[in-house]
Amino acid sequence: GENVEQHPSTLSVQEGDSAVIKCTYSDSASNYFPWYKQELGKGPQLIIDIRSNVGEKKDQRIAVTLNKTAKHFSLHITETQPEDSAVYFCAPLGSQGNLIFGKGTKLSVKP
Amino acid sequence: DAGITQSPRYKITETGRQVTLMCHQTWSHSYMFWYRQDLGHGLRLIYYSAAADITDKGEVPDGYVVSRSKTENFPLTLESATRSQTSVYFCASSESATSWAEKLFFGSGTQLSVL
Repeated sequence: GENVEQHPSTLSVQEGDSAVIKCTYSDSASNYFPWYKQELGKGPQLIIDIRSNVGEKKDQRIAVTLNKTAKHFSLHITETQPEDSAVYFCAPLGSQGNLIFGKGTKLSVKP
Repeated sequence: DAGITQSPRYKITETGRQVTLMCHQTWSHSYMFWYRQDLGHGLRLIYYSAAADITDKGEVPDGYVVSRSKTENFPLTLESATRSQTSVYFCASSESATSWAEKLFFGSGTQLSVL
């Protein structure tokens, strides 16, 4: 079956530092790569997504980069703030047309 | 308020009982989804629906039934609850008109415990 792995599973940074989360997928046909943020007690929220014809996309302090050859994409958060503390999920599109969620990365931003 | 709402927020039931989780969206999105979230598994798709009266199985459909008589509602029923169905359940809808799995909006979830 399709395999999605996120690293690291937990990440602790100081406020103002950068954070990077990597997602590796197995399906070479995947062409859509979103990242979701889940705060405690809430549902996941789409924060950024990218398609396979684009290598990088930025939205203020967050960015996503894609390496289709190596089959991985990464979430970059710059100038982290305490409100960035959450669990982040990658969810590349699978061959059946549905999203395949990774197991999540818990990010803690220390003030 | 506009958005996607789930009810109840918390539910405790016993094995063998039938339980229905409700989901309502006000955007008139065509696609709706049910996911379950378990520690160590991330989110897994149970069922999805492309429109009223059109539903299809996801990754883990066994033990669940869905219906969609109206565009805005997508209830999930556990016909005979088992302990393995203890989980947090999320309903979602998609605003994308071109790809059904893109731009998902999630509800706040229902935490279900089966004793």
